Amino acid sequence: EAGVTQSPTHLIKTRGQQATLRCSPISGHTSVYWYQQALGLGLQFLLWYDEGEERNRGNFPPRFSGRQFPNYSSELNVNALELEDSALYLCASSGTGVSYNSPLHFGNGTRLTVT
Amino acid sequence: QKEVEQDPGPLSVPEGAIVSLNCTYSNSAFQYFMWYRQYSRKGPELLMYTYSSGNKEDGRFTAQVDKSSKYISLFIRDSQPSDSATYLCAMSLSNFGNEKLTFGTGTRLTIIP
Repeated sequence: EAGVTQSPTHLIKTRGQQATLRCSPISGHTSVYWYQQALGLGLQFLLWYDEGEERNRGNFPPRFSGRQFPNYSSELNVNALELEDSALYLCASSGTGVSYNSPLHFGNGTRLTVT
Repeated sequence: QKEVEQDPGPLSVPEGAIVSLNCTYSNSAFQYFMWYRQYSRKGPELLMYTYSSGNKEDGRFTAQVDKSSKYISLFIRDSQPSDSATYLCAMSLSNFGNEKLTFGTGTRLTIIP
């Protein structure tokens, strides 16, 4: 079974630019989650998509957005990049249901560096 | 105060030692507790999960939850160099999905051969 795949592995952008990160979930999973992992802050929940709809978002500004495609893959867009957006962005997928029945499966992340 | 507190380490122990990793939390409504392991340059992978209080054992790993103290632990027996990783605790309200998971910041563990 192929795991969650993310691309690109690394991304270097300058302040003010836009970044697009992509994620393919495990086959059969309809939910995709995006997390930001910044140094010393742990995993911060960004967005949750299920069946093509945004279901919930974390405490991040609107310049963080995304979408889920009919094949359940997803992309995360970050507009007007700021230096503090530099972090590892992790995508995870799961089946539907409560957390103890549908654990998260993570990809290996996209390392975004903003200069 | 953060909802979940985890000592960031780093923690270095010799091979074969017993390792104790801990998290404290403030929300008494948390009922589902997880431990994730994250190797360098990889995403986290679910190691163990427990529901409510008590112990759960899986091979060399034991997860322990003390809800009265709002304290969870992960014990690793006979530690191996392959256990070197960052360990993240996570917890949630039992009736909610993964969007409500709250993660600790992670403890970096190194097992010295």
